[in-house]
Amino acid sequence: SQQGEEDPQALSIQEGENATMNCSYKTSINNLQWYRQNSGRGLVHLILIRSNEREKHSGRLRVTLDTSKKSSSLLITASRAADTASYFCAPAPGNEKLTFGTGTRLTIIP
Amino acid sequence: NAGVTQTPKFRVLKTGQSMTLLCAQDMNHEYMYWYRQDPGMGLRLIHYSVGEGTTAKGEVPDGYNVSRLKKQNFLLGLESAAPSQTSVYFCASSYSHSGGDPDTQYFGPGTRLTVL
Repeated sequence: SQQGEEDPQALSIQEGENATMNCSYKTSINNLQWYRQNSGRGLVHLILIRSNEREKHSGRLRVTLDTSKKSSSLLITASRAADTASYFCAPAPGNEKLTFGTGTRLTIIP
Repeated sequence: NAGVTQTPKFRVLKTGQSMTLLCAQDMNHEYMYWYRQDPGMGLRLIHYSVGEGTTAKGEVPDGYNVSRLKKQNFLLGLESAAPSQTSVYFCASSYSHSGGDPDTQYFGPGTRLTVL
């Protein structure tokens, strides 16, 4: 299975601090994506990093990918209360399907 | 653009009843997906479609059927609902020939289904 496994399962930080969450997967990928889910809502695509990229930035988000270790990390800098959500990684093997793990539940404490 | 919409938002069924969940997208996407999300289980793929008139099984297809008669719509049917099908159901779509990354999925707001 390509299922991404996020770590930690839950993370609480003070507003303004940085949040880092990790993802591990099992086999080769075309790209890896990160999604956010606010409570009671659908998932929203955040960022995609291709297998030949090592790092990518989008606003306050920084994603790294290490294909040799089959792992990725998502860093959210200068966290805000609105960042409180669950975050999922989704490895994409290139067969039109994604698999999602159980996510990291991030809580930002005002 | 409305993106991906789901109907209904909430539903309560009795065991053995049937129902159909409707997903509609206005992005001219080729691929559409149905997932279920249960506490502690993440999202699990039920069925998916790579084009009008096609469907395929995902990770947990038993007890569900789907149809993709029109490109913009993907229907999920429960013929005889069971309490184990109590869940939140999400529809998603991806891939347009006119551009965008084919793997990026766009999700609907979800349908919360309770089977008593």
